[in-house]
Amino acid sequence: DAMVIQNPRYQVTQFGKPVTLSCSQTLNHNVMYWYQQKSSQAPKLLFHYYDKDFNNEADTPDNFQSRRPNTSFCFLDIRSPGLGDAAMYLCATSRTPDGNTEAFFGQGTRLTVV
Amino acid sequence: AQTVTQSQPEMSVQEAETVTLSCTYDTSENNYYLFWYKQPPSRQMILVIRQEAYKQQNATENRFSVNFQKAAKSFSLKISDSQLGDTAMYFCASTNYNQGGKLIFGQGTELSVKP
Repeated sequence: DAMVIQNPRYQVTQFGKPVTLSCSQTLNHNVMYWYQQKSSQAPKLLFHYYDKDFNNEADTPDNFQSRRPNTSFCFLDIRSPGLGDAAMYLCATSRTPDGNTEAFFGQGTRLTVV
Repeated sequence: AQTVTQSQPEMSVQEAETVTLSCTYDTSENNYYLFWYKQPPSRQMILVIRQEAYKQQNATENRFSVNFQKAAKSFSLKISDSQLGDTAMYFCASTNYNQGGKLIFGQGTELSVKP
């Protein structure tokens, strides 16, 4: 029944070593989002895709990139993880980009940087 | 820019009692949406309830209801007959038509339901 699936649930990476987090969805939603949630903080949007159109938040560091090869999959690439990038990364989807439809979240990937 | 503020970092309630979580927001938009999301420990975030700003009637979903005060920019969540499974972090969030569905979250309120 899982509709938004994130892999892995837990990821440990070394300082400076590139890492990729993945997200897949079975909802056929047009919009996919990546949020970063640091400990005891609110989730913060990094970027989102509306179909193939990529939208980067102004304050998302250049160290973060994303790919969406098809409707179902979206990847978050962190080129050179720093200690400050340790966080829970949440993937979400919605059918439309106008805020009028519910966002569905995955269980998140907790990233640890050592 | 939209902002969302939750001033209660933690709350607790006895099982079967009622609790109200507070949220205020600020926006210059006329067409916006407000949400309460629940994030249980180690589980995914799920939508509890949503409110369209143009609707005057307060949204209700079973034991969950909101008190939407548009002029005061207040959007509180009332949980009636609290259950142990309601223990979670609750986030108030907003978005509008022009933001591509981007959710602006408050800082969250950690709710503990005690037996």
